[in-house]
Amino acid sequence: DVKVTQSSRYLVKRTGEKVFLECVQDMDHENMFWYRQDPGLGLRLIYFSYDVKMKEKGDIPEGYSVSREKKERFSLILESASTNQTSMYLCASSSDSGDRETQYFGPGTRLLVL
Amino acid sequence: AQKVTQAQTEISVVEKEDVTLDCVYETRDTTYYLFWYKQPPSGELVFLIRRNSFDEQNEISGRYSWNFQKSTSSFNFTITASQVVDSAVYFCALKRAQAGTALIFGKGTTLSVSS
Repeated sequence: DVKVTQSSRYLVKRTGEKVFLECVQDMDHENMFWYRQDPGLGLRLIYFSYDVKMKEKGDIPEGYSVSREKKERFSLILESASTNQTSMYLCASSSDSGDRETQYFGPGTRLLVL
Repeated sequence: AQKVTQAQTEISVVEKEDVTLDCVYETRDTTYYLFWYKQPPSGELVFLIRRNSFDEQNEISGRYSWNFQKSTSSFNFTITASQVVDSAVYFCALKRAQAGTALIFGKGTTLSVSS
């Protein structure tokens, strides 16, 4: 079974704090993704990575950065958290071989920025 | 441009009713993939099905069935004899054929099944 884990299910931070969201997958997947989910807006792609140290901007990268130093780990960083970043954050991974089109998701992190 | 539309925001049914969730997509690609995911209250997106653009064969898995029609750019999902455990948000998604490209999601349909 594919396993994608995220470091926290719930997180409360204050405006201006630096926030790290961690995602780890155990299936040796090449591709990893960060989405945010907001009511009425569905899921929107923030960043993705197709290899170690490689990253690509998604639809809404402003206010975020990412880091992928190891294949299994993809971190989302909020340099200075703001209230409009209160959201549900979902990490996903996919392979470049076999069933390479299917993305598998982690349980999500509900972030509240006060 | 790629786009997925789920026109039904919320659907409420009573147990044992059949329900169909609509999904319409837009793409100029000739090869693409379509997906359905389920998001129960716990929050995790659960993969249900992937369909390739070159395979229009409909699929049935237990109480779930999917109707893919390229002519109308639709990929509808039917739950037969719905159960309370089917209550969730369901997302339809589209993906281009290139490796590593992201999913394009519809805004989701919230299904509530009451007993």
